[in-house]
Amino acid sequence: DIVMTQSPSSLAMSVGQKVTMSCKSSQSLLNSSNQKNYLAWYQQKPGQSPKLLVYFASTRESGVPDRFIGSGSGTDFTLTISSVQAEDLADYFCQQHYSTPPTFGGGTKLEIK
Amino acid sequence: EVQLQQSGPELVKPGASVKISCKASGYTFTDYNMHWVKQSHGKSLEWIGYIYPYNGGTGYNQKFKSKATLTVDNSSSTAYMELRSLTSEDSAVYYCARMVYAMDYWGQGTSVTVSS
Repeated sequence: DIVMTQSPSSLAMSVGQKVTMSCKSSQSLLNSSNQKNYLAWYQQKPGQSPKLLVYFASTRESGVPDRFIGSGSGTDFTLTISSVQAEDLADYFCQQHYSTPPTFGGGTKLEIK
Repeated sequence: EVQLQQSGPELVKPGASVKISCKASGYTFTDYNMHWVKQSHGKSLEWIGYIYPYNGGTGYNQKFKSKATLTVDNSSSTAYMELRSLTSEDSAVYYCARMVYAMDYWGQGTSVTVSS
């Protein structure tokens, strides 16, 4: 199984600051036939279900604010929140769907100062 | 509007089985795989398996192969997951999720508590 490692496990930021979180996979998620990285990011607010933010590493899901930016390729990926808002308080998970079973990272908890 | 409505919380005894439902609406049920995910301790997520409603084809995480059975009722656009021989390790929130390029719609989750 592909192991997904997220860092940091938690961070606390002030409104308006830029936030970056990392996700690393134990093997490449790049499909050479279509040049797509099979990596998704999800946001889970307290008491809610996960919500898809980004897929194929950098494609923002419809309706997701453009302050959420996914980047990276191969084994190293980043989710950036360009200017964090109070409502971004949540856990963030990365997930690979390059191979079965799909696997998730342990999550990054974002707290707002 | 796509919605996945799951059944309510369950309190079950060790050794028993439980069947969770996930009723889909707002899209053609048979066109998309339905996946199931376990969330333990309010944090980590594990993929259990998927079912393709069109033909009932399934795929399971090896870890859950003897634990979970996935089925569908296309007449009611409902997916089911049965969990058997429950232990305290099975206490968790279970989600259904539709998957296209990623899991784009999720149910609200069903809490399963295993306790005597």
